[in-house]
Amino acid sequence: AQSVTQLDSQVPVFEEAPVELRCNYSSSVSVYLFWYVQYPNQGLQLLLKYLSGSTLVKGINGFEAEFNKSQTSFHLRKPSVHISDTAEYFCAVSVRSNYQLIWGAGTKLIIKP
Amino acid sequence: DTGVSQNPRHKITKRGQNVTFRCDPISEHNRLYWYRQTLGQGPEFLTYFQNEAQLEKSRLLSDRFSAERPKGSFSTLEIQRTEQGDSAMYLCASRLDREGYGYTFGSGTRLTVV
Repeated sequence: AQSVTQLDSQVPVFEEAPVELRCNYSSSVSVYLFWYVQYPNQGLQLLLKYLSGSTLVKGINGFEAEFNKSQTSFHLRKPSVHISDTAEYFCAVSVRSNYQLIWGAGTKLIIKP
Repeated sequence: DTGVSQNPRHKITKRGQNVTFRCDPISEHNRLYWYRQTLGQGPEFLTYFQNEAQLEKSRLLSDRFSAERPKGSFSTLEIQRTEQGDSAMYLCASRLDREGYGYTFGSGTRLTVV
């Protein structure tokens, strides 16, 4: 079975500072990896995904993530955050056989002015 | 492409009543998924369809829950005899059945059972 752990439930950071949101996963089979963002009272929007190839993946809104197979991690980073990045961020994996998403519990990114 | 549409956006119902939610996926997407999300948690898988066939149901989907996707287009999720524990955001997503193809989510239906 697969599982996803997001180690921080909340991450407060000052505006224009860098941020890293951590995600670790557990799986005995190959998976795809995703980060989604959820703004208040909205659905989930895909930020970026790792399928294969380069381990550094760039997404929308200036975010990027790095797949580390040995550490089973897929941490999300942004070099300089803005107030508009205030949202909840979810890491998810899907197994290649059925593509169902297994989700972490989410990390709330709180931007301090 | 108008994205995935869910209706209603909010629903308040009394315990014991039945409710039905609708999801209109992106028209060319053959896979449709229902998830439930409670406060402070990630989404939990409920069920999914490939075209009109319901291929998998989670253990979370008790006998009070039923989902349909007639003609492989829109889908409905019905909850009978609602309980307070059913209060959650119900999310619908669709995708093409193609390797690595991402999910497109609707804005969700927030259900409050009082």
